[in-house]
Amino acid sequence: DAGVTQSPTHLIKTRGQHVTLRCSPISGHKSVSWYQQVLGQGPQFIFQYYEKEERGRGNFPDRFSARQFPNYSSELNVNALLLGDSALYLCASSPGLAGGRGSYNEQFFGPGTRLTVL
Amino acid sequence: AQSVTQPDIHITVSEGASLELRCNYSYGATPYLFWYVQSPGQGLQLLLKYFSGDTLVQGIKGFEAEFKRSQSSFNLRKPSVHWSDAAEYFCAVGASTGFQKLVFGTGTRLLVSP
Repeated sequence: DAGVTQSPTHLIKTRGQHVTLRCSPISGHKSVSWYQQVLGQGPQFIFQYYEKEERGRGNFPDRFSARQFPNYSSELNVNALLLGDSALYLCASSPGLAGGRGSYNEQFFGPGTRLTVL
Repeated sequence: AQSVTQPDIHITVSEGASLELRCNYSYGATPYLFWYVQSPGQGLQLLLKYFSGDTLVQGIKGFEAEFKRSQSSFNLRKPSVHWSDAAEYFCAVGASTGFQKLVFGTGTRLLVSP
């Protein structure tokens, strides 16, 4: 089976522009999460979507938004790009939501999209 | 709120020597704990996870980790390091209910010397 796929691999934008990043989860997975990894740091949680609804949001400004489609793929949108948005954006898929002890759904990460804002 | 501390930014180990990477977490309930590895320009690969039960967990590539509740630690170990183990290692804690936010540490970069 194919793993999590993300596109594009690399992207260069200028300040103030808008960007859309795409993610396709593992077949059968209904949940997608997005993480931002700034150089030299660990990934930081941005969003989780499950069954096309936002189920969790991290501490990111409203310039960041996402959506999930009926086929469970997802887009992450960032408006009014800032230099500080330069990062590796990681998508993770899982079968569903956590459901208590013993039923945690492992997250599988894609290779990421490297965004550079000039 | 969950948090993870990885006190070592860089560690250099000779090939064939043993390895221990430190991880301390903060979480109000019993946590789900993970170790991920990231090679340059790559995504994250899960090495091992702890949910419950035996506090010594085995993972892929010969790695193991021990959960110590009294010390709030989940250190990663490997008895003999190979040059291909050079990478960035991240410890993460996950919530046991609700949405599956993972909180990561800042990572430890492992360098392997000949």
